[in-house]
Amino acid sequence: ETGVTQTPRHLVMGMTNKKSLKCEQHLGHNAMYWYKQSAKKPLELMFVYSLEERVENNSVPSRFSPECPNSSHLFLHLHTLQPEDSALYLCASSQANTEAFFGQGTRLTVV
Amino acid sequence: KQEVTQIPAALSVPEGENLVLNCSFTDSAIYNLQWFRQDPGKGLTSLLLIQSSQREQTSGRLNASLDKSSGRSTLYIAASQPGDSATYLCAEANDYKLSFGAGTTVTVRA
Repeated sequence: ETGVTQTPRHLVMGMTNKKSLKCEQHLGHNAMYWYKQSAKKPLELMFVYSLEERVENNSVPSRFSPECPNSSHLFLHLHTLQPEDSALYLCASSQANTEAFFGQGTRLTVV
Repeated sequence: KQEVTQIPAALSVPEGENLVLNCSFTDSAIYNLQWFRQDPGKGLTSLLLIQSSQREQTSGRLNASLDKSSGRSTLYIAASQPGDSATYLCAEANDYKLSFGAGTTVTVRA
């Protein structure tokens, strides 16, 4: 375990479903991130929360909705997804300008 | 926009050979540069972090260098082993954001 835990590890959902991804960190970090990793592409930054405030929304479609209720938890709410949204979704945390730690990811398949 | 490039995209070496992985970046105002390892279908494991004021970092068989003036970092893995087979990613940090390269996939043949 890296100190960042993501659940579920695998998720299959239909295009009309609503689901949520969860991320939890107990490292005392003040920033949390969602990244998307598609096949053959670099990691894409989706959202950044610093001190529970969203500081980055990297032109992500509104069918992805993040939530950061406290400094230890981060959610990604999913609704009306498309097949091209199938990817590995990675959560990370860091203290500003220091080492970032990643979770094991959620493998999402949209059918 | 920060751009990070990793060359080569893939590398295959016999066991025992030293590995040299390259990373170049366009942002001269980076805060730090981090190297990660990723096994298939898994998350990222942090290997080394080099602060912008540092020139290199070492951990066991791993050594990473940083040259901000030329926008380059190199990861050296000494005496490679089959267990080193993985994808290696570099990421440069500017403020709170990490920008990643596409990675170098390494295969170490026994």
